Amino acid sequence: GQSLEQPSEVTAVEGAIVQINCTYQTSGFYGLSWYQQHDGGAPTFLSYNALDGLEETGRFSSFLSRSDSYGYLLLQELQMKDSASYFCASNAGNNRKLIWGLGTSLAVNP
Amino acid sequence: GAVVSQHPSWVICKSGTSVKIECRSLDFQATTMFWYRQFPKQSLMLMATSNEGSKATYEQGVEKDKFLINHASLTLSTLTVTSAHPEDSSFYICSASSENYGYTFGSGTRLTVV
Repeated sequence: GQSLEQPSEVTAVEGAIVQINCTYQTSGFYGLSWYQQHDGGAPTFLSYNALDGLEETGRFSSFLSRSDSYGYLLLQELQMKDSASYFCASNAGNNRKLIWGLGTSLAVNP
Repeated sequence: GAVVSQHPSWVICKSGTSVKIECRSLDFQATTMFWYRQFPKQSLMLMATSNEGSKATYEQGVEKDKFLINHASLTLSTLTVTSAHPEDSSFYICSASSENYGYTFGSGTRLTVV
């Protein structure tokens, strides 16, 4: 089957750095995406990795290792507004369907 | 940038009635639309994939006669929840896909069936 695994909850303090890992098992892997979702809102695109390595976008970075079927989202200089759910998702076929992880709830405390 | 407008943002309906949710791509043509349902504290669950002018492809376990999807143009897709029941209460999200903009999500519709 196809699945993406990520931790269910992470807690950190303001100003800290947090890493959310995602391991995947998919057929026909095309790339790994990361989305942020606040309560009551729709997912917002954060980052995408098609190739191995690190992608940096401001305070957020994402890493992919295709050989390890593993990726992570790195959030730096955490702010209270970063408290949200974070999902990894994989485009695993030419039908463009996204396979979603179960999400990681991040709580940023003062 | 790409914008997807989803309406209504919330709706309350009586059990047994039907509700239509619209999803429009405002400044691009969406070759594919995806419809998701999300329960509290859970991940997005794909309900169906639709391509303009063709019948939607439903995921296993999703009743196609209950969740009617129409994708009549490259900028509009609709989801109609027919004969809604309280267990259909959920957050419904559409996502438009295009070669240039990847995946763009609507703002979601909170459906409450009473």
